[in-house]
Amino acid sequence: ILNVEQSPQSLHVQEGDSTNFTCSFPSSNFYALHWYRWETAKSPEALFVMTLNGDEKKKGRISATLNTKEGYSYLYIKGSQPEDSATYLCGDGSSNTGKLIFGQGTTLQVKP
Amino acid sequence: NAGVMQNPRHLVRRRGQEARLRCSPMKGHSHVYWYRQLPEEGLKFMVYLQKENIIDESGMPKERFSAEFPKEGPSILRIQQVVRGDSAAYFCASSPREDRTDTQYFGPGTRLTVL
Repeated sequence: ILNVEQSPQSLHVQEGDSTNFTCSFPSSNFYALHWYRWETAKSPEALFVMTLNGDEKKKGRISATLNTKEGYSYLYIKGSQPEDSATYLCGDGSSNTGKLIFGQGTTLQVKP
Repeated sequence: NAGVMQNPRHLVRRRGQEARLRCSPMKGHSHVYWYRQLPEEGLKFMVYLQKENIIDESGMPKERFSAEFPKEGPSILRIQQVVRGDSAAYFCASSPREDRTDTQYFGPGTRLTVL
């Protein structure tokens, strides 16, 4: 993996469904992975910063895991609600200067 | 504690004019990152500044674009002689220190339209 890749590109689920999506990143020289939630016409909102292999972080119904050896992170949303509809971005923060290299995002639509 | 502020929120320029985008970081933050979202594309890094210093400008186009973060006042992203391809949403983010695990807090963005 040379770039940050997210899949799927978009996802439509029903209210109450649980869902997950993937962020793949270069595994060499890994330092940190950032997850953001981005609603239309708003600022990207920070969810998690993940650094350690095997890390698992949780914020309400949203959780994330990290595998630095194989270069992927999963974001899980339990019992999706319409207000979870947003684009979820992951950013590789492994550059020496801390700049974030973002994936294209996964756009989630939760139907009531 | 006010969040990251950007102004203007919307900016319309004609080809050949200059665009100035301002970013006021969160209080106590001395590190500013600028990102750009072109239509149908993701967020792309442009430049990273600390007070009075450009640290990483590897994402900046070589011509017409410049950035500064003076000792006093906001960070400014300046685009000279704008072209239609500069139409995009420009976001800045600030963080409190240099550790790469620090969260970057994003502003609401400036949407630039070049006519």
